[in-house]
Amino acid sequence: AQSVTQPDIHITVSEGASLELRCNYSYGATPYLFWYVQSPGQGLQLLLKYFSGDTLVQGIKGFEAEFKRSQSSFNLRKPSVHWSDAAEYFCAVVPPTGAGSYQLTFGKGTKLSVIP
Amino acid sequence: DAGITQSPRHKVTETGTPVTLRCHQTENHRYMYWYRQDPGHGLRLIHYSYGVKDTDKGEVSDGYSVSRSKTEDFLLTLESATSSQTSVYFCAISEIVGTFNTEAFFGQGTRLTVV
Repeated sequence: AQSVTQPDIHITVSEGASLELRCNYSYGATPYLFWYVQSPGQGLQLLLKYFSGDTLVQGIKGFEAEFKRSQSSFNLRKPSVHWSDAAEYFCAVVPPTGAGSYQLTFGKGTKLSVIP
Repeated sequence: DAGITQSPRHKVTETGTPVTLRCHQTENHRYMYWYRQDPGHGLRLIHYSYGVKDTDKGEVSDGYSVSRSKTEDFLLTLESATSSQTSVYFCAISEIVGTFNTEAFFGQGTRLTVV
């Protein structure tokens, strides 16, 4: 069965510092990959997604992620964190089945705190 | 923002009572999903639907049932609520475009407390 691992439960960074959130997946083929962000009391918002092609993906709010097939990783990065980035971040995968049901498998999330 | 409305947004209910949560979409998407979110577990799929009257179980379906009589509505029912079903429930929708699944769009969530 596919699985997603986010090794860091909680990360604290200073405002203006760079950020990298880790995500590793376990699946036979390369799945579709996603990062979502959830602010307190809110639903999930898509930051970026990878289906195929260029392995460096740009998203909203200045985030980017790099797919590394050899490491089964899809790490999220931001060069300079803003206080408003404090939230919980979820990595998710979907098997590349094309048509058919679309079942996201989520990691357990990484909570990001930002120090002013 | 995708047109997804969950109701109610908050509910407190007693153990053993039936509870129904509603998800309504205005996007005409084919796929609809119910997830639950619990601390330390991320989001876990309960049930999903791939069309009117077409539903299937997810990872944590025990104790839950669903129905979809119209494209726009997906109901989640707890037949007899238990304290272990205290959680935040999210509805999501998605669609197939060509051969690609699009990303899932999420509702704002329903916080359910079973006392």
